[in-house]
Formats: sequence, structure tokens, C-alpha cells
Amino acid sequence: ETGVTQTPRHLVMGMTNKKSLKCEQHLGHNAMYWYKQSAKKPLELMFVYNFKEQTENNSVPSRFSPECPNSSHLFLHLHTLQPEDSALYLCASSQVGGTSGHTDTQYFGPGTRLTVL
Amino acid sequence: LAKTTQPISMDSYEGQEVNITCSHNNIATNDYITWYQQFPSQGPRFIIQGYKTKVTNEVASLFIPADRKSSTLSLPRVSLSDTAVYYCLVGGGGATNKLIFGTGTLLAVQP
Repeated sequence: ETGVTQTPRHLVMGMTNKKSLKCEQHLGHNAMYWYKQSAKKPLELMFVYNFKEQTENNSVPSRFSPECPNSSHLFLHLHTLQPEDSALYLCASSQVGGTSGHTDTQYFGPGTRLTVL
Repeated sequence: LAKTTQPISMDSYEGQEVNITCSHNNIATNDYITWYQQFPSQGPRFIIQGYKTKVTNEVASLFIPADRKSSTLSLPRVSLSDTAVYYCLVGGGGATNKLIFGTGTLLAVQP
């Protein structure tokens, strides 16, 4: 499936580096999400954007900085990360709203496997 | 947001039907029930979604009783490639599109 793409697929960075994760959705959706999945743990919602506006910040540390320039693109800027931030970072998108209610099915990208040294 | 409870793990054999039940006692009136499948190091994949009664698609069926306090995902004739974690979620209705993933059910299919 190529509806939601993420780059890079793998990233190794030092604690003093600055890097960015990119997500792009080709589904015409108006909501985008960042999730973190650490080893053996459930997905943790980090941020939600609806129509380019951030509507949810799930108490995420400021070393993670999201950016949503338009409804199709979502970035996660990383700086001064800690080793415990090593995880699979997943992006998702969904269609929100509609006259008959919405089902909010989220479509996920393949994820970026991040390792912080 | 409604909390869900599902078994941590299940075992099955190829060709069997597998039923995974999820409890969601606090489901809200306009919440939907959605199931996702996740393979290691991949993003979850939507399987099926329903509001009430029964929903069937090409890969699974979803049974929802009248009180909607539980739901059962039914996978017909599983194969080895169905080994994955299956998540039950409720939400998507109302003013928020926030979904909470639980620990899911690890289904292990044996030959």
C-alpha cells in the first residue's frame, strides 16, 4: 500500500543531532497523526492535526516538534533526543467530518525506525 | 474515551476459524468499533469497522451484540501469515478523532 509514505525508513542519530521525519499521504485526507511505538509497547498517540491545525499534543516533550504545512504533509523535527526516544515512529491519516458522521479509519505508513545513540 | 480489554495472546492452527473478543463497556453512543492488524516493524493495517450487528468484508467478520459492550473479530481459515497483533479500538465519533490503542492480542498461527 502506498497511500501513506514515510521517509526515511531507518534513522540513526546522535543525541546532539537535528533530523526530521517526513510523512506524505495520497488519500485526500484532512487529518494526520504521529504515533510512537516502543519495543513491546502499544502505540502512543503524539500529535493530531486536523485541516493543518494541531488539535492534540499528548504531553510530548519539546524535543519533538511537529509541522503540518498542508493536509498532505506532516513532519516531525527531532533535536537533542535521548536514547529512550528510540522507537518506531508511525504516521497516519484519516478523513474527518462529513454530513453522515465519520468513521475515522486511520491509514498508517510503514514507519521510521529511529535509533538514538 | 472508551477503554478496551482483549486477550493478550491466542494460539491457533492453519485452517481454523479464530474469534477474538474485545470488551468495551463504556462505549459511547456515536463510537465505532474498529480492528487493526499489525505485523512486526510495520504500521497497523485497518481490517474492519462496524457500529452494530454484523459486518463482513473479504478478510474478516465483525459481530457486535445489541448492547455494543463487546465485539468479536472472526478470521475464517487462518494461515501462517495471519500471525500478528490485533487491536480493538473504539472511538471516532463525536468531537474528537483521538484513538487509543491498547496492548492488542498476539495471534500465533501454527502449521
